[in-house]
Amino acid sequence: KAGVTQTPRYLIKTRGQQVTLSCSPISGHRSVSWYQQTPGQGLQFLFEYFSETQRNKGNFPGRFSGRQFSNSRSEMNVSTLELGDSALYLCASSFSGGGSDTQYFGPGTRLTVL
Amino acid sequence: TQLLEQSPQFLSIQEGENLTVYCNSSSVFSSLQWYRQEPGEGPVLLVTVVTGGEVKKLKRLTFQFGDARKDSSLHITAAQPGDTGLYLCAGVQGSGYALNFGKGTSLLVTP
Repeated sequence: KAGVTQTPRYLIKTRGQQVTLSCSPISGHRSVSWYQQTPGQGLQFLFEYFSETQRNKGNFPGRFSGRQFSNSRSEMNVSTLELGDSALYLCASSFSGGGSDTQYFGPGTRLTVL
Repeated sequence: TQLLEQSPQFLSIQEGENLTVYCNSSSVFSSLQWYRQEPGEGPVLLVTVVTGGEVKKLKRLTFQFGDARKDSSLHITAAQPGDTGLYLCAGVQGSGYALNFGKGTSLLVTP
């Protein structure tokens, strides 16, 4: 069974631009979560989607948004990029989400904002 | 504000030594998970503990969940270079969907 895939793996953008990251979950998984990982803050929860609906959102500004498609693939978008948005963005998939459900992480997208 | 505090932040030991990593909080969690992350990869789940006082063993790794479900520890016996990586604890509160991560413990095991 193929794991979680994320594209692109690396991305370089400049301040003010916007970016879209993609995540393909494991086949059969309907929950997709996004996390931001930085050296200073560690992993922080962005949002979680299940069956195309956002069920939970972390404490991030409105510049961070996401969506999920009917095939469970998910995208996240960051508009008006700031230097502090440089991070590793990870997505994780699971059957139904929630603490009792094992989450499988992708390798991440490394975003650098110049 | 970090709900989970991990200590130590960095650990460098020699092969064969034992070590313990701690994950503490003032909050109660319905479950707590431990992950290991290697450079260039996403975190990989090692174990999930859900019952206060629970102890789980995974080969040389022993995980314990505190009685009050506010803290956890990871003990590695006879560490090997292959144990090198970032160890992360993460907790879920109530029936929530978000994992609250600690900042991690970076472990280096040298031959």
